[in-house]
Amino acid sequence: EAGVAQSPRYKIIEKRQSVAFWCNPISGHATLYWYQQILGQGPKLLIQFQNNGVVDDSQLPKDRFSAERLKGVDSTLKIQPAKLEDSAVYLCASRALAVTDTQYFGPGTRLTVL
Amino acid sequence: RKEVEQDPGPFNVPEGATVAFNCTYSNSASQSFFWYRQDCRKEPKLLMSVYSSGNEDGRFTAQLNRASQYISLLIRDSKLSDSATYLCVVKGYSTLTFGKGTMLLVSP
Repeated sequence: EAGVAQSPRYKIIEKRQSVAFWCNPISGHATLYWYQQILGQGPKLLIQFQNNGVVDDSQLPKDRFSAERLKGVDSTLKIQPAKLEDSAVYLCASRALAVTDTQYFGPGTRLTVL
Repeated sequence: RKEVEQDPGPFNVPEGATVAFNCTYSNSASQSFFWYRQDCRKEPKLLMSVYSSGNEDGRFTAQLNRASQYISLLIRDSKLSDSATYLCVVKGYSTLTFGKGTMLLVSP
C-alpha cells in the first residue's frame, strides 16, 4: 500500500515570499491533517479535513496560512507571505474514516525561510 | 501547564540498558494515548498504543494511569536501533496532541 506522499521535500525561500506544499493521502483515507514541526518540538496540528470539509483549523494562522482539499483527496497548504519563524517541517497525515484508526504521516516538507 | 509534557532529553544509555520515559497530560477528557517514534529527519511512526491495563510489545512496555494523568514507556535491553526521539501523544476525539519528545541515544 502506498504511503502519504508530499512534495517538495525541501524548499528554501526568502521572507515575504509565498510557498505551497502538496499532499496526497493514502488512497481511501477520508481524514487529512497538516502539522507544523519546529526543530526540537513535537508536531503541532494546523488543520484537519474530513473529506473536503474543514473540521479543525483553530491553530492555523489564517492571516498568512491557507489550506484546501477541493476534491476530498489531495491537499495544498500555502503560506503567503512567509516569515522567518515559519521555518519548520510541514507534515501531512491521513487516517481512514474511523476515529480509532491510526494516522499515517508523510515524509514532510522541510521549509527554510531566510 | 502544557497539554503534554515529557522528560527533557537526551537520554544516553549503553546497549542492553533499560530506559524509562515519562509523560503527563493536562486534559482529563483525553480518550486515547500513544507512543510514536521519530527517527532523525523522518516522519513520526506509531510505536504502540497505551492502555490502562498496560501493554507490552516485545521489549517495549507502556502504562497509563488515568487518575494521575501519567503515561510511561519502558524499553528493556536497549539496541542501537532504538536510538530515536520518542513522542508521547494524547488524542481527543480525532486530533492528536504531541509532546516535545525525548531523544534516546543508545551507544555500543
